[in-house]
Amino acid sequence: NAGVTQTPKFQVLKTGQSMTLQCAQDMNHEYMSWYRQDPGMGLRLIHYSVGAGITDQGEVPNGYNVSRSTTEDFPLRLLSAAPSQTSVYFCASSRGGSAGELFFGEGSRLTVL
Amino acid sequence: KQEVTQIPAALSVPEGENLVLNCSFTDSAIYNLQWFRQDPGKGLTSLLLIQSSQREQTSGRLNASLDKSSGRSTLYIAASQPGDSATYLCAVPRGGADGLTFGKGTHLIIQP
Repeated sequence: NAGVTQTPKFQVLKTGQSMTLQCAQDMNHEYMSWYRQDPGMGLRLIHYSVGAGITDQGEVPNGYNVSRSTTEDFPLRLLSAAPSQTSVYFCASSRGGSAGELFFGEGSRLTVL
Repeated sequence: KQEVTQIPAALSVPEGENLVLNCSFTDSAIYNLQWFRQDPGKGLTSLLLIQSSQREQTSGRLNASLDKSSGRSTLYIAASQPGDSATYLCAVPRGGADGLTFGKGTHLIIQP
């Protein structure tokens, strides 16, 4: 019953550093996505993927890269972290596309100093 | 641009009360609406998904209704329990783009 697994749960970075947030799902969902959650802003879509080899930009994609080499994994890369990227990041997957029932991971809390 | 508003932002009630959480959206051309629950420090859990062709969806003590024409949805929680304490979020398709637009949530506290 793993569902959607995100690592790490917590991370502190310095401005300009790079890192990758990992996301894996074991439900064979074609659709995967990344959201960020900020106080007063709600959740906003960063990037999404409708299947292996296919990715696209969401509402707030700047500063983030993604790839989807397998159905199971959808990593989010920050190439040069900025304080504005301090947030809680959630990975979500669905069998029915973006508007199907979404299954979320427990989140990765990132602080950029 | 789709916008979602949830009222109230916070609610505290004694255990056992029935309560209603409200969600409104600006673009009524949606094909479904989802209600989620989020516990502190945790991810979101989908509670109910209502298709545009439905008017209601029920799961246990939860009942969600959808009125597309007025741009509103309500989440009814019957016989509230302390374990219902959480933040409840509604979300609709972004409209013209992939993904969901989320409300900012209602922070619910059920007092024992």
